[in-house]
Amino acid sequence: DAGVIQSPRHEVTEMGQEVTLRCKPISGHNSLFWYRQTMMRGLELLIYFNNNVPIDDSGMPEDRFSAKMPNASFSTLKIQPSEPRDSAVYFCASSFLLTKQPQHFGDGTRLSIL
Amino acid sequence: GQQLNQSPQSMFIQEGEDVSMNCTSSSIFNTWLWYKQEPGEGPVLLIALYKAGELTSNGRLTAQFGITRKDSFLNISASIPSDVGIYFCAGQDSGGSNYKLTFGKGTLLTVNP
Repeated sequence: DAGVIQSPRHEVTEMGQEVTLRCKPISGHNSLFWYRQTMMRGLELLIYFNNNVPIDDSGMPEDRFSAKMPNASFSTLKIQPSEPRDSAVYFCASSFLLTKQPQHFGDGTRLSIL
Repeated sequence: GQQLNQSPQSMFIQEGEDVSMNCTSSSIFNTWLWYKQEPGEGPVLLIALYKAGELTSNGRLTAQFGITRKDSFLNISASIPSDVGIYFCAGQDSGGSNYKLTFGKGTLLTVNP
């Protein structure tokens, strides 16, 4: 079975540029989560979607961050404009909440903002 | 906010030794999860615990959900080199926002062959 698929795996860009991270959740899952992982803060939840609707975006650090889920099989996390402190590994995870199924993670996007 | 204290932060052991790590919380969780993360990959679920007192095994791994709902431990028996990685505990909120996971800071495990 295909797991959560993220792209790109690595992104290096200059500050001020727009960055778009992509995620394809596991087929049949109805919930999608975006996380950020850094050495200092560990894994932090940024935003959560249920049935394509954003439920809680309280973890989104600033207005520079936005996320969309246009359909059940695709989500994006966008940073505009990017800053060096946004450098981190960004993970997408999905689950099927009604069965209390745990979250399954993608392999992440390692983002470096120069 | 909720916090998870995971210990130890790191462990250096010899192949064949048993390993134990734990998480404690100031809040009650209704689900505890244990994940393993290897370099360049995302966290992979090892064990999920849904009931207080539950003891669950997955091969050489055993995890328990504490009776108070505020703690959990993970044991690895007879460690092997491929056990190397970062192990994370995660507690799932018992409140209305029952989707939310709070993660510990991880335990870095190194196994010397």
